Amino acid sequence: RKEVEQDPGPFNVPEGATVAFNCTYSNSASQSFFWYRQDCRKEPKLLMSVYSSGNEDGRFTAQLNRASQYISLLIRDSKLSDSATYLCVVTTSGNTPLVFGKGTRLSVIA
Amino acid sequence: EPEVTQTPSHQVTQMGQEVILRCVPISNHLYFYWYRQILGQKVEFLVSFYNNEISEKSEIFDDQFSVERPDGSNFTLKIRSTKLEDSAMYFCASRQAANYGYTFGSGTRLTVV
Repeated sequence: RKEVEQDPGPFNVPEGATVAFNCTYSNSASQSFFWYRQDCRKEPKLLMSVYSSGNEDGRFTAQLNRASQYISLLIRDSKLSDSATYLCVVTTSGNTPLVFGKGTRLSVIA
Repeated sequence: EPEVTQTPSHQVTQMGQEVILRCVPISNHLYFYWYRQILGQKVEFLVSFYNNEISEKSEIFDDQFSVERPDGSNFTLKIRSTKLEDSAMYFCASRQAANYGYTFGSGTRLTVV
C-alpha cells in the first residue's frame, strides 16, 4: 500500500502555462505536509509547507483537504527554471520521518 | 546560508566492502537523519538520530548499517558489507528542532559493483 501517491508524470507544458499536481496520502494521522522540489541527481529542497487554509507563495499555491487526504500544488506562469521533479511529502507530528511520494516530473518548454 | 556537507560526492565500492559516508550537519542543529534514493525511486527514510542515539529506524536500516556522531560535528553512516542493491543516493539531513524544516545535504552517490 503506497503511503503517498502522486500524479504520474511527466508533465510537459509551454512557458507561461498553469499546471497542477495532485497528491493523496494514506495515513490519516498525518499532520504536516510539504512540497519539495528535486532537480536531477540533486537533493530535495523545500518549496513550501502546506497549511489547512491553503497558502500561496508567489506563483505557487498549495491546498490541503484533510477529509479527502488530498494535497495539491498549482504553478502559474510556468518558467523554464520550474523544470524539476515535485515531491509531495507528509509526516506525523514531532520527530517522525518524512514520507515522500515518488514525485511528478515537470518539463517547461520554450 | 548554512549548509549540510556530505563527502564523498561519489563512491564506488566492491560488493562486500565496508563504506563510510560522512556528513557535517549545520552546527546548531540537533536532529540528524539519513535518507536514501535508489535511482528512479522515491526518497526513503533510513534513520534518525538525536541526543547521541538512534531515535527511529526503518526496516531498511538492518544490522549492516550503523550511524555515529564521533566528534560532535561529523555524522557518519557505515554500511558493513555492501550489496549491489545498496547502490543509491544517500542524503544526510539535519534540523534545529523537531518542528523545524529539514536541510538536506547534496548527497553521496554510492555505486556497488
